[in-house]
Amino acid sequence: AAGVIQSPRHLIKEKRETATLKCYPIPRHDTVYWYQQGPGQDPQFLISFYEKMQSDKGSIPDRFSAQQFSDYHSELNMSSLELGDSALYFCASSLNVRAGSNEQFFGPGTRLTVL
Amino acid sequence: KQEVTQIPAALSVPEGENLVLNCSFTDSAIYNLQWFRQDPGKGLTSLLLIQSSQREQTSGRLNASLDKSSGRSTLYIAASQPGDSATYLCAVYPGGGNKLTFGTGTQLKVEL
Repeated sequence: AAGVIQSPRHLIKEKRETATLKCYPIPRHDTVYWYQQGPGQDPQFLISFYEKMQSDKGSIPDRFSAQQFSDYHSELNMSSLELGDSALYFCASSLNVRAGSNEQFFGPGTRLTVL
Repeated sequence: KQEVTQIPAALSVPEGENLVLNCSFTDSAIYNLQWFRQDPGKGLTSLLLIQSSQREQTSGRLNASLDKSSGRSTLYIAASQPGDSATYLCAVYPGGGNKLTFGTGTQLKVEL
């Protein structure tokens, strides 16, 4: 069965650079979520999208932005990178809760290292 | 604000032992609860999802229970194996929202 695809899997950037992470949801899933997991931390919700509209927002810095496109894939754009942005970034996808189940399926993550 | 706590934070057991991982949450108005497994530096593997109308779910050697009124869930692992060594995370789905709140995790080591 198709799973959530994230690219790149690993990314190394310098401070103050920008990074773009991509997420391709499971086919027919219309909702996408982004989470950040710092070293030794539990995942923290950043932002979610349903039908290309932002549906919920968590602890996402103003330096970060995200969007969902017409094919439902999503991109997380991160600017003015800081050392503290080094983390594992997960994308998850689901059907909308109105479909009966909003179980989230997680991608393998993108490991971002900021030097 | 929902807070999710897992006890114990770390657990080391001999192979073959049955064990219980605990998850507690402060706001009982949840929609679903999900248990995940995470290997070091890897992604999240979904183990079991319990819907709010359910009391438990089973998959192989795993059994998860949910008591919304007391704000607790347990994950029971039968006949543990070294391959079960990983960090186990519970996460709650809020009622009326869709952002998961994760617990602090239990790091499990099953020794030969």
